[in-house]
Amino acid sequence: DTEVTQTPKHLVMGMTNKKSLKCEQHMGHRAMYWYKQKAKKPPELMFVYSYEKLSINESVPSRFSPECPNSSLLNLHLHALQPEDSALYLCASSQDEARNEAFFGQGTRLTVV
Amino acid sequence: QKEVEQDPGPLSVPEGAIVSLNCTYSNSAFQYFMWYRQYSRKGPELLMYTYSSGNKEDGRFTAQVDKSSKYISLFIRDSQPSDSATYLCAMRDLYSGAGSYQLTFGKGTKLSVIP
Repeated sequence: DTEVTQTPKHLVMGMTNKKSLKCEQHMGHRAMYWYKQKAKKPPELMFVYSYEKLSINESVPSRFSPECPNSSLLNLHLHALQPEDSALYLCASSQDEARNEAFFGQGTRLTVV
Repeated sequence: QKEVEQDPGPLSVPEGAIVSLNCTYSNSAFQYFMWYRQYSRKGPELLMYTYSSGNKEDGRFTAQVDKSSKYISLFIRDSQPSDSATYLCAMRDLYSGAGSYQLTFGKGTKLSVIP
């Protein structure tokens, strides 16, 4: 199983809503990542979790709150988002931070209205 | 000057053509070089990665790295319509411990292979 599963696939939320994105992998990977990708742009790193601890926060606004409940799960909690936060949110995992073989999920396409 | 430059295309070729995709970079610390393929509305898929200079071949795909010129290439032989996607180069330097993870992507080249 080399899959990273993200739910939901699509999400439309209002600026006052609270929602969560979920990511799951069962490859035994100990590094998990959140990326944001705008149309026709490359992915931008948001957060890195290594062994369930937050390793990197790329100066992401606090309206995005990551959580790693266990080694297989990664959540991204969303609150009071802005329309410019609409994007494809990608989760990825790798064996650990040092490895190059990262597997990406299909992404959650988020629209903030 | 951006760290990684990649021609966004679009690039349109006939089926069976040899495709050449390229990136240039400015950071001489980069040691690992990767190519990702991303189909429309999907997540990126790692195609190949190479360490330092040299060539690597995998089926119809060949990755080349020339560190002296700070130039990397991906060649696709006998291109197929199913190769139509956006190809992203990415690179990173040596991992130096927790919190040092960094992966720099190019903007991606959109490729269309016409039957």
